Amino acid sequence: EDQVTQSPEALRLQEGESSSLNCSYTVSGLRGLFWYRQDPGKGPEFLFTLYSAGEEKEKERLKATLTKKESFLHITAPKPEDSATYLCAVQKGSSNTGKLIFGQGTTLQVKP
Amino acid sequence: GAVVSQHPSWVICKSGTSVKIECRSLDFQATTMFWYRQFPKQSLMLMATSNEGSKATYEQGVEKDKFLINHASLTLSTLTVTSAHPEDSSFYICSARTSGVSYNEQFFGPGTRLTVL
Repeated sequence: EDQVTQSPEALRLQEGESSSLNCSYTVSGLRGLFWYRQDPGKGPEFLFTLYSAGEEKEKERLKATLTKKESFLHITAPKPEDSATYLCAVQKGSSNTGKLIFGQGTTLQVKP
Repeated sequence: GAVVSQHPSWVICKSGTSVKIECRSLDFQATTMFWYRQFPKQSLMLMATSNEGSKATYEQGVEKDKFLINHASLTLSTLTVTSAHPEDSSFYICSARTSGVSYNEQFFGPGTRLTVL
C-alpha cells in the first residue's frame, strides 16, 4: 500500500536551533517527492521537488534531500517566521495525472 | 509565476443551498486541476482530478453528484457543493498542474473556507 509518513508530528525549536524533518515513503515507483509549507488558513506553498536519490535542493534556510526510502527537510538556524506546517507528498511513477499522496505534516514552531 | 487564485476565500450558506467555488490559474495554463478538502489539523484529502474538457475523476468515497466539478478552460475549474449540509463545512483547496517544463509540480490556491449553517 502506498504510504507517506512524516515525523515528528510537531516540533518546537528555539530560534537558531537547527533540526530536520523526516518524510518516509512507500510507493511503487517514485516519480517525484514534493515539499510544501502551509500557514494556518492558507493553501500550501511549493518549496521543492526531488526526483532521484541523492538529489538535494536548497532555499534560504531550508535544504531538502532524498534517498530511496525517505526525504529530509533540514532547517538551519530557523527564525520565528519559519513556523508553519510542512507537508511532504509523493507522486507515483505510474501516475499520468500528477496525483499526489500527502503525509500528515509536521507542525513547526520556532520561538524567539 | 505559477499563481493560483480561488474565489471566494470564505462563504457562509444555509443548509440545502448550493455553493460554487472558482479556481483560476493566473499566469499559466493548467491541463489538470485538483480539488482537496482539509479538516482542522489534518492533511489534504484529494477529492477529484479534473482535466480540461473532460469529466472529473473522483476519489473513492466522494459523491460526484454532490461535488460537481467543471473544468471548462485551461485556466478555470469550478467546484459546486450541491445541497450543502453542515458536514460539508470544511476548507477546500484547489491546485493546478502546469503543462510546461515543470509539469510535475502542483501549485495551490489560497483555499476557500465553507461554513454551512
